[in-house]
Amino acid sequence: NAGVTQTPKFQVLKTGQSMTLQCAQDMNHNSMYWYRQDPGMGLRLIYYSASEGTTDKGEVPNGYNVSRLNKREFSLRLESAAPSQTSVYFCASRLISIGYEQYFGPGTRLTVT
Amino acid sequence: SQQGEEDPQALSIQEGENATMNCSYKTSINNLQWYRQNSGRGLVHLILIRSNEREKHSGRLRVTLDTSKKSSSLLITASRAADTASYFCATDNSGGSNYKLTFGKGTLLTVNP
Repeated sequence: NAGVTQTPKFQVLKTGQSMTLQCAQDMNHNSMYWYRQDPGMGLRLIYYSASEGTTDKGEVPNGYNVSRLNKREFSLRLESAAPSQTSVYFCASRLISIGYEQYFGPGTRLTVT
Repeated sequence: SQQGEEDPQALSIQEGENATMNCSYKTSINNLQWYRQNSGRGLVHLILIRSNEREKHSGRLRVTLDTSKKSSSLLITASRAADTASYFCATDNSGGSNYKLTFGKGTLLTVNP
């Protein structure tokens, strides 16, 4: 099993450009998550999908949209990138039952100039 | 806002010494989890302790949970250079339709050879 995969690994955007970060998991997990990690800020939840067909805002959703394409895939879209969105983005997945750990992807390092 | 807050923010020790990291949280939880992040990588789950447990062991890891004080500690015994990483606590407040983990800002552990 590949676990949680993310593409791309690195990306440089100009202010105003758009892009979609892709995430897929092969563990049959119901819940999927997008986080951003900035120095000194820890992990902050952007959006999550508790199950296929549902998405909810997390702590820092402004400037982002998500799509739960199917049970395996959960994408994060930046419609008009801003320098404040320079960060490392992590996707994670989890079984929906209480008490199960999250599995993380390797991350996407995004720079917006 | 972050639920868990780790203390200290950074810890530097010699190989063979024990490392203790603390986590405090604010609201009631179902379980608390600890994760490790090596530089440039995604988070990896280490150990989960349920709200009705007081102590749990896994190899060189020992986790305690004091729900009356809303705090947890992670002890790594006989540390190795390979333990150098950031360590995060995450609280699971899951209930109803809320399937989120809330992460703290992490403790950066450096183990010097």
